[in-house]
Amino acid sequence: QVQLLQSGGEVKKPGSSVKVSCKASGGTFSSYSFIWVRQAPGQGLEWMGGLTPIFGPSKYAQKFQGRVTITTDESASTGYMELSSLKSEDTAVYYCARGDPYGERIDYWGQGALVTVSS
Amino acid sequence: QTVVTQEPSLTVSPGGTVTLTCASSTGAVTSYYYPNWIQQKPGQAPRALIYSTSKKHSWTPARFSGSLLGGKAALTLSGVQPEDEAEYYCLLYYGDVRVFGGGTKLTVL
Repeated sequence: QVQLLQSGGEVKKPGSSVKVSCKASGGTFSSYSFIWVRQAPGQGLEWMGGLTPIFGPSKYAQKFQGRVTITTDESASTGYMELSSLKSEDTAVYYCARGDPYGERIDYWGQGALVTVSS
Repeated sequence: QTVVTQEPSLTVSPGGTVTLTCASSTGAVTSYYYPNWIQQKPGQAPRALIYSTSKKHSWTPARFSGSLLGGKAALTLSGVQPEDEAEYYCLLYYGDVRVFGGGTKLTVL
């Protein structure tokens, strides 16, 4: 049974950073890719970036270049997404999802983590 | 900036058939874009339905099918059930990046 368990919601101040984790159970961690997706309140899904540990390095959407860092810790079967220089517009639910290494398939999703940016 | 376009909303009657489409601003969608379709119900995490144009996950109901249609990726629901009311997103692969469509809100009425 594959599960992606994300860290809990956080409240952050503008200008600070947030790091969301995504622990995978089931399957061989390094055999998959991991993507990060966000959803602002009432809005659609937005691809932020992803990482395939066996291929690396991380790839990012142009919108988030320079502000987002996606990493993995294979020993802990955990992926991380760190977003810096937070703005109120970054208030969203952040999801991780697992896929195959070649871009064909996204299968399992985490439960999401609400990040609220507020002064 | 690549844009992926879906119908904003569609309505279908229970038991009916509906097709959702997904277009790319770069041109015709082909199998090399590995179209994925994702379902999301209010307050829930997304759930994967279709990958690589037409392949189903083990949990995908048989009434969902994916295809390429007129240069677009397409998701067809046959024999729609009330529980199919949801937002549906396509996701296209552009090598280093992926892009979601804006989503189609499907109403079953």
